[in-house]
This record gives sequence, structure tokens and C-alpha cells, in this order.
Amino acid sequence: GDSVTQMEGPVTLSEEAFLTINCTYTATGYPSLFWYVQYPGEGLQLLLKATKADDKGSNKGFEATYRKETTSFHLEKGSVQVSDSAVYFCALSDDAGNMLTFGGGTRLMVKP
Amino acid sequence: DAGVIQSPRHEVTEMGQEVTLRCKPISGHDYLFWYRQTMMRGLELLIYFNNNVPIDDSGMPEDRFSAKMPNASFSTLKIQPSEPRDSAVYFCASRLADLTGELFFGEGSRLTVL
Repeated sequence: GDSVTQMEGPVTLSEEAFLTINCTYTATGYPSLFWYVQYPGEGLQLLLKATKADDKGSNKGFEATYRKETTSFHLEKGSVQVSDSAVYFCALSDDAGNMLTFGGGTRLMVKP
Repeated sequence: DAGVIQSPRHEVTEMGQEVTLRCKPISGHDYLFWYRQTMMRGLELLIYFNNNVPIDDSGMPEDRFSAKMPNASFSTLKIQPSEPRDSAVYFCASRLADLTGELFFGEGSRLTVL
């Protein structure tokens, strides 16, 4: 079945550092890929998405490129802020788009 | 527009008691999902509905769990009887039919079963 693997956290960075959170997937067909973010005490929020190979999703300074050849969708940000501290989830949808499969989540801690 | 609304936010109960979690999806959304989040297992899809009809309940752990959606604006997840291993945060999410993968999550119901 479909699956998503994320790098284990926590990832601890200083403010203004460069961020990469790795995500790889296994899927049949042509899934769409997503990054969700969960701030403490809240539900998940969609951060960005990409629906086909070579698409780049971007939002709030974060970006990720759908790489079919490496089955990856790594999340990057050039300069993180303390307010980016959260748990980040990579996810994929099935072909019908009905179900999301989530990775295990990666906790990011940004120190001032 | 109000987001997905869940209640209660926190529930502490004793083993064997019945627990009912409630969800009001965003108005106009066609799909509703129930997820469970734990440290050990991460996010698990329990069940989802399309236009109030249950489509896939293969994630429901066992017969102690049941979910209903009597109308487009209300859903419940019931656990009877509850057990300590049911302790988790339960999330409800909804989405529009044509925005696949773009789920809107509620703030969750944190359940503790003693």
C-alpha cells in the first residue's frame, strides 16, 4: 500500500538557519503530495501541495518539489523563524484523492 | 466562516465508560474524516464519509468504535466501552469534493481513559 517516510525529529535550528525536512513516498499511480503543519494544541493545517511531477509547492517561505524520479518531496525554507516551531507532516493522496496517507511527522524547534 | 468545530476539547473518563466525540464540519464540505493521533502510531484514519454516507471504515480499530453522520452538519464518534489504550487526540476534518487532499482540521478532542 501507499506509505510516506519522513526524517525523524526533533530538528533543532537557530533562527535564520536553512531548513530541510526529508520526505519520501511509495505509491502506485500518480498521487498528489502535501505538507501539513501542526502548531502546539492545534489541528493540522495545509502548508503547500504539488499535484504532478516537477511541480513546486510554496507558501510562507516554505517550498517543496515533487520529484518522481526519487519519489521525494523534501520541505525547505531558507531562513527559519521561532514561529516556525511546529510538527510538519508529509502526506500523499490516493489516485481518487479521497484518502490521505500521512508520514510520522517531524518536530521542528527553532531557537532565538 | 467558522472552521471545523469539535467537542469536547478534553475528556477524562474511566475505563468501561461510553465516550461520544462530536464534530461540525465546515458548511458545504462534502467529505468528513475522523483521525486518531498518538505518539506511538502517529495519525491514523479511522473512517470517512461522503455526503453523509460512510465510505471506508477499515481504520476503525474494533467494534467498540462506531461513527455516524446523521446530516451534513454533524458527526459523532462513539467508543463503548472505552479502554486506556483508546487515549489519544481525535481529529475531525472536512473538505470539498473538488479539492482533493486539502483537509481542514478541527482542534481535536483529547481523550484520556483511566
